[in-house]
Amino acid sequence: GESVGLHLPTLSVQEGDNSIINCAYSNSASDYFIWYKQESGKGPQFIIDIRSNMDKRQGQRVTVLLNKTVKHLSLQIAATQPGDSAVYFCAENYQAGTALIFGKGTTLSVSS
Amino acid sequence: NAGVMQNPRHLVRRRGQEARLRCSPMKGHSHVYWYRQLPEEGLKFMVYLQKENIIDESGMPKERFSAEFPKEGPSILRIQQVVRGDSAAYFCASSPAGKGTEAFFGQGTRLTVV
Repeated sequence: GESVGLHLPTLSVQEGDNSIINCAYSNSASDYFIWYKQESGKGPQFIIDIRSNMDKRQGQRVTVLLNKTVKHLSLQIAATQPGDSAVYFCAENYQAGTALIFGKGTTLSVSS
Repeated sequence: NAGVMQNPRHLVRRRGQEARLRCSPMKGHSHVYWYRQLPEEGLKFMVYLQKENIIDESGMPKERFSAEFPKEGPSILRIQQVVRGDSAAYFCASSPAGKGTEAFFGQGTRLTVV
């Protein structure tokens, strides 16, 4: 079936490094993508989103890149901090009025 | 403006009992989504509701699971005759009408079946 997936289950970085978390999606009809951060014992928290008519969007310390040619989504975190340690999920929305579909997640560990 | 409220946060049930999970959406949100998260897994969509109507239940198991969102009160996810495999975190999200991309999540209910 069609689903959103992530390339790596875990990523370990040093504090201050830049982190890149990747996601591959299979539904070319999806028009909206979101990155969520989930800390232990908590619900997913919105980080940043991007529409399919864009290829890049920047937020505070985060950038999302969308490559529709290869159906690839990435989240870049600049100057990673220990507080960034969490599980990161990408999610896609097939069409307006439908629920978000999530991938499996990447666990980011930041060491000081 | 309170966020999405889920209760209880933790729920322990013996096999065969019923579990009821509650979700109160954010103020002004009329749509609710339920997701299940198994350990080390992503969130799996279960059901999408608006008040008094189920919009999409394609992710709901065919037996034992049901959901409702009455005109008044919280949305309820009900699991009858629970089994150990139902142990998971259940998350609820809410959004304004027709804007599933603006969904905010609650803190989840962790169900443990013993």
